[in-house]
Amino acid sequence: GENVEQHPSTLSVQEGDSAVIKCTYSDSASNYFPWYKQELGKRPQLIIDIRSNVGEKKDQRIAVTLNKTAKHFSLHITETQPEDSAVYFCAASNEGSARQLTFGSGTQLTVLP
Amino acid sequence: DVKVTQSSRYLVKRTGEKVFLECVQDMDHENMFWYRQDPGLGLRLIYFSYDVKMKEKGDIPEGYSVSREKKERFSLILESASTNQTSMYLCASRGTGVYYGYTFGSGTRLTVV
Repeated sequence: GENVEQHPSTLSVQEGDSAVIKCTYSDSASNYFPWYKQELGKRPQLIIDIRSNVGEKKDQRIAVTLNKTAKHFSLHITETQPEDSAVYFCAASNEGSARQLTFGSGTQLTVLP
Repeated sequence: DVKVTQSSRYLVKRTGEKVFLECVQDMDHENMFWYRQDPGLGLRLIYFSYDVKMKEKGDIPEGYSVSREKKERFSLILESASTNQTSMYLCASRGTGVYYGYTFGSGTRLTVV
């Protein structure tokens, strides 16, 4: 089955700096890669996703890049703000994975004022 | 917006009790999931269901069972609660199709004493 590894487990950045979280996946058939943000005490929420036929996708200060050859994808947050502090999860899925997402282990991002 | 509602935000139960966690979604999604979330362990899949009366074991099904009598409702059952089942439980639903993410419920914080 699919295995998703996520690094780093914790990340601290100064406000205004950029943050990058990286994930690798094992199943070359995976073709959908969402990212979730979970603020303290709240539910995980989808913030951005990318399909395998796209190399990069941007939405304001966040972007995701995908390298299918290397089987890794990354979340980039620019001009970080204190409200970006949260746990971020990457995930992967494909049509043969019984409709479930396989999650990475999460990254605790702290933006220091 | 898809809504996934978990019946209880906080629960305290005694060891040995039978515990029911309820999850209801309102967007006619075929796929529903139960995860538990523990610090440092990320999201671990307990059970999932892709149709009424269908269920599949996830990564950590021991000590749990599920019920899906109606499409919109997916229940997690702890047959005899134990202290090591103290955790945050998250329900999620997902539409059919590869390029859909999950929508999560708000979570149930279960404490077994």
